[in-house]
Amino acid sequence: EVQLVQSGAEVKKPGESLKISCKGSGYNFTNYWIGWVRQMPGKGLEWMGIIYPGDSDTRYSPSFQGQVTISADKSISTAYLQWSSLKASDTAMYYCARTGGAARPFDSWGQGTLVTVSS
Amino acid sequence: SYVLTQAPSVSVAPGRTASISCGGNNVGSKSVHWYQQKPGQAPVLIIYSDTDRPSGIPERFSGSNSGNTATLTISRVEAGDEADYYCQVWDSSINHDAVFGGGTQLTVL
Repeated sequence: EVQLVQSGAEVKKPGESLKISCKGSGYNFTNYWIGWVRQMPGKGLEWMGIIYPGDSDTRYSPSFQGQVTISADKSISTAYLQWSSLKASDTAMYYCARTGGAARPFDSWGQGTLVTVSS
Repeated sequence: SYVLTQAPSVSVAPGRTASISCGGNNVGSKSVHWYQQKPGQAPVLIIYSDTDRPSGIPERFSGSNSGNTATLTISRVEAGDEADYYCQVWDSSINHDAVFGGGTQLTVL
């Protein structure tokens, strides 16, 4: 069974750094892209970027380029999303999701990681 | 950048048919995927590549895509279908960005 398991909820202060994770199992982690999707409170889904763990090829939405860093460690089947300096506006639920690549759907999703940034 | 437009809300009585549209410039030339998200849960893929259903998704869910509109159709709507529905495509014109529609909240009366 394909599973993506994300790290737990985080409460941070503005200016702090954060790295959240997404661990894949039940499939060959290096053969699928992992995407990150933001959902702000009461809002829709926003695509942030995507990484191919096989070679670490990474692409970012123009809206998130320079705001976050996406990485992966294929040795432990885990993808990451990180911030160097959080803002209150980063408060949201973040989902990772698996896709076979361009034109393919996000066919499996993590349970989500809630990030709260508040002073 | 490419934009997908969805109506914010749709209401339907139980047992009737719900149609949720997703508009985009020549979206018929793209492969459209649909996701269902119930409150407090992660999205779930319900239709991929315009018309295909993943295993475990009821036949009541179907999709179509032509011209500037893709449509998700839910037949014999049940109370449990109440959720937010999102369409999604890949915009190959810009580095293969994923694009989501704004979502449609389905209310079962």
